[in-house]
Order: sequence, then C-alpha cells, then structure tokens
Amino acid sequence: EAGVTQFPSHSVIEKGQTVTLRCDPISGHDNLYWYRRVMGKEIKFLLHFVKESKQDESGMPNNRFLAERTGGTYSTLKVQPAELEDSGVYFCASSLLGGHRNTEAFFGQGTRLTVV
Amino acid sequence: AQSVSQHNHHVILSEAASLELGCNYSYGGTVNLFWYVQYPGQHLQLLLKYFSGDPLVKGIKGFEAEFIKSKFSFNLRKPSVQWSDTAEYFCAVNALSGGYNKLIFGAGTRLAVHP
Repeated sequence: EAGVTQFPSHSVIEKGQTVTLRCDPISGHDNLYWYRRVMGKEIKFLLHFVKESKQDESGMPNNRFLAERTGGTYSTLKVQPAELEDSGVYFCASSLLGGHRNTEAFFGQGTRLTVV
Repeated sequence: AQSVSQHNHHVILSEAASLELGCNYSYGGTVNLFWYVQYPGQHLQLLLKYFSGDPLVKGIKGFEAEFIKSKFSFNLRKPSVQWSDTAEYFCAVNALSGGYNKLIFGAGTRLAVHP
C-alpha cells in the first residue's frame, strides 16, 4: 500500500515567487493534515481537512498561504508570494476518520522549501 | 496554550548505552501522548502512543515510554541502543479540547549512536 506522498521533495524559490506543494494521502483516509517545521524548531500544525472541508485552519500563518483539497483526495498548499520566513519543511499526514485519538496518522517525507 | 518541551536537542551515545529522552507537556486536561521518529531520509513514523491504562507503554524496536501524570512527563527509554537508532525523535500530545485532531510537537531530539 502506498504511503503519504509529497511533491516536490525539495523546492528552492526566490522571495516573491509562488510555490505549490502537493500531498497525496493514503487512499481512503478522510483526514488530511499539514504541518510545518521551521529552522529545526518544533513541528507546528497548520490545518486539518476532513474530506474536502477545512476542519481547522487555526495554524495557518497568514493569508499568503492557501490550502485546498478538491474532491477530498489530494491536497495542495500554495504560498503566494513566498517570504524568507516561509522556509522550512512542510509535512503532510493522513488518517482514517476518528482523529489522532483513534487512528494513527501517517506522515509523508516532507517538502523542504527554501526561499532565497 | 498547550506546549511540549523536549529537554535535549542533541544526544550522542555509544552502542549498548541506555537511552532516556525527556518530554514534558503543559496541559491539565485529558491528553494522548506520542513519540514519533524520523530516520535519516525517511518519513515520520509512530514509535508508540499512550491513550489510557497502563502508564508504561511498549513500542516498536524495543522502545518504551512512561506516562507520569503528576509530572506531566512522557519520557522515552531504551535499555540498549543500536547504531540504527540514529534518528530524530519527537514527542507529541493532543488534547480532548482540540477534538484530538491537532498534534502539538516538541522541538525534537537528534540522537547519534556511535558504533
């Protein structure tokens, strides 16, 4: 069974450009989460989808970040325009319904974003 | 706000040494506790979790963790580490108030095991 897949694995862009990260969850997983780790600090929650609906987007840093999950399958996270402080590793995770309490969240390998 | 504190950012051990990684969290209500591991070049994966019951939890690869409610701690232990345990370890918590749908992570501990 395929795990959570993230594209690209690395991205280097200039400040002011736009970048779109993609996450393909495990098939059948209705929960999809985005997290970010900046500069070796803690991994921070960004948002949570249940199917195509945003359940919780309290961790999104600002309106330069836009997440979508059309059709409840894969998700994209767009940063526009990118700033230097957006650099970090963006993780995606998915799980069956029931949240982290009842089911295990499976993580992707992450996308390392560098804004120069 | 909930937070998770991992006491050591970098740990260096020789093979066969014992390991204990500290983790403290700040939340007074019901919590679930997790340890995740990220081996070099790989994805985050679950080592073990505590929901309720026996506070001593056994995980994969010989790891265990003990939940001490009075100390708000969930320390990870392994009696004898191997070179293959070299990885970064993350403690995480989620809480009933968040609908158990948000993991709060610590900053991680990088473990290097020398042969």
